[in-house]
Amino acid sequence: DAGVIQSPRHEVTEMGQEVTLRCKPISGHDYLFWYRQTMMRGLELLIYFNNNVPIDDSGMPEDRFSAKMPNASFSTLKIQPSEPRDSAVYFCASSLQGALSGNTIYFGEGSWLTVV
Amino acid sequence: SQQGEEDPQALSIQEGENATMNCSYKTSINNLQWYRQNSGRGLVHLILIRSNEREKHSGRLRVTLDTSKKSSSLLITASRAADTASYFCATGYISGGYQKVTFGTGTKLQVIP
Repeated sequence: DAGVIQSPRHEVTEMGQEVTLRCKPISGHDYLFWYRQTMMRGLELLIYFNNNVPIDDSGMPEDRFSAKMPNASFSTLKIQPSEPRDSAVYFCASSLQGALSGNTIYFGEGSWLTVV
Repeated sequence: SQQGEEDPQALSIQEGENATMNCSYKTSINNLQWYRQNSGRGLVHLILIRSNEREKHSGRLRVTLDTSKKSSSLLITASRAADTASYFCATGYISGGYQKVTFGTGTKLQVIP
């Protein structure tokens, strides 16, 4: 398996622009997670999906952030409009089952976002 | 706030020495995992320990869990330069009716050849 695939790997955009990050989870995994990593706040869970349905989006910072999972093999995280404080590494991850199972969470290589 | 806090934040040791990292958390958990992150890469799973277990081994890794103290430790024996990375604990638990996995702040390990 190719693992979790994210795109783009790097993006530099101007403040106010729309940013779309994409993710292809591992085939057969029922759970998909979006995390954000910064030096100041560490690794934060933004949202997770179970069988394409958003379950917990309490970590989404504000209305400028939205995430979708139209099918089992694709998810997007969108920021509109983007701000410099959104600069971070955004990770997509997937797992077979939920947190209580202790299943391994497989991470993508991340999308490095810089908003100038 | 984050569920897990790691200690120390940074650790520098000589190759061949043992490295110990600690993780403390705040609420009851179902399981705890340790992950490793090389610079500029995604996190990679190392080992899982469930709340009813006290110790697990995997190769040069030894993990302990003390649920009464809400803490875990990761020991890497006979460290190698290739072990240089950041190490994170991740706790699995229920909060607000949701299953959650929350990562700690991480320990940055440097192994000097």
